[in-house]
Amino acid sequence: GEDVEQSLFLSVREGDSSVINCTYTDSSSTYLYWYKQEPGAGLQLLTYIFSNMDMKQDQRLTVLLNKKDKHLSLRIADTQTGDSAIYFCAESGKDSGAGSYQLTFGKGTKLSVIP
Amino acid sequence: DSGVTQTPKHLITATGQRVTLRCSPRSGDLSVYWYQQSLDQGLQFLIQYYNGEERAKGNILERFSAQQFPDLHSELNLSSLELGDSALYFCASSAEGTGDEQYFGPGTRLTVT
Repeated sequence: GEDVEQSLFLSVREGDSSVINCTYTDSSSTYLYWYKQEPGAGLQLLTYIFSNMDMKQDQRLTVLLNKKDKHLSLRIADTQTGDSAIYFCAESGKDSGAGSYQLTFGKGTKLSVIP
Repeated sequence: DSGVTQTPKHLITATGQRVTLRCSPRSGDLSVYWYQQSLDQGLQFLIQYYNGEERAKGNILERFSAQQFPDLHSELNLSSLELGDSALYFCASSAEGTGDEQYFGPGTRLTVT
């Protein structure tokens, strides 16, 4: 079955760049997503990338996709204390049996920003 | 605010009981997904509905069921509750359910005592 792997923790200093990495196994993944979850809150869609793209930039966020290695990364420039949260990588690939595009999530990377 | 609403926010109930969680998708979205978030299992897909019809099932227990109504809101029914069912239950919606982006509600935190 599909699997999405992320490192569990990342600690950076305020103002530095953060890079959160993710690997996935499903080669049929259509979209790859990054979600942010703050304590006690729901999942906020940060950005996503279609599988035929290599890079997507959105303000302080840069997503890089290496489809050959099935590696996805999220770079947050000028990381702020408000960026402290858990970041989830997720992939959406068509379930050939059901025609569904449910998300498969990694376990999440807890980003701690040190002032 | 994602535009997806879920009620109630918190629910505390006893083992053996039955509860219903409610979700209203974003305006215009036809597809609703349910996910369970627990400490040991992480975020897991439970079930998807599209325009009133069940489209896919994930790791959903037989004690759990869901439906999507003509106004597109959805309910997740959990019965014969066990301690291990304590978790955050999220609803997400998307426009077409064909790989387009899913927007999540704030979740319902279920505690089974």
